[in-house]
Amino acid sequence: AQRVTQPEKLLSVFKGAPVELKCNYSYSGSPELFWYVQYSRQRLQLLLRHISRESIKGFTADLNKGETSFHLKKPFAQEEDSAMYYCAPTPPTNAGKSTFGDGTTLTVKP
Amino acid sequence: SAVISQKPSRDICQRGTSLTIQCQVDSQVTMMFWYRQQPGQSLTLIATANQGSEATYESGFVIDKFPISRPNLTFSTLTVSNMSPEDSSIYLCSGQTGFETQYFGPGTRLLVL
Repeated sequence: AQRVTQPEKLLSVFKGAPVELKCNYSYSGSPELFWYVQYSRQRLQLLLRHISRESIKGFTADLNKGETSFHLKKPFAQEEDSAMYYCAPTPPTNAGKSTFGDGTTLTVKP
Repeated sequence: SAVISQKPSRDICQRGTSLTIQCQVDSQVTMMFWYRQQPGQSLTLIATANQGSEATYESGFVIDKFPISRPNLTFSTLTVSNMSPEDSSIYLCSGQTGFETQYFGPGTRLLVL
């Protein structure tokens, strides 16, 4: 069965500190990997996907196939990064359903 | 990309009644999904809405309780039937493009009294 684990339900850092949101997955095949974010009073939206190799809002995510992890990182957290973050592996097909982790609520304190 | 709208945005309903939530996408998407989300909690997939055929339900969800329609590639409805207070939640619609990215609606906040 597909599983995704975000071990930290809550994560709090100070502004300017590095932040890492962990994601481990157990998945058959090679899923596409996504991070979604939900800011307060906003809809859930895509933050980044592994295949794009992009850095969005200063966030990057490194895929470690050996450890089956896809941790989200940012070297200097900002207050506006406070949000709920979801890791979501997805089968690389047109009919793939994403599996969402339980989410990590990040709070960046001033 | 795709922009998804939902109606209603919120509702307060009496137990035993039914509510139909509409989801409209501004462009064609390959897949449409319905989720339930408790505030501050993760998403629970209810079902995949299939165009012109019966939806595919996840474990714990049944058609009699959550009938779903998807008459075309850009529109779907979810009905929450015979509601009870336990059905109080946020219901999300999403559309998935061929690149597996999901786009989410703003959600429908339902309170059942």
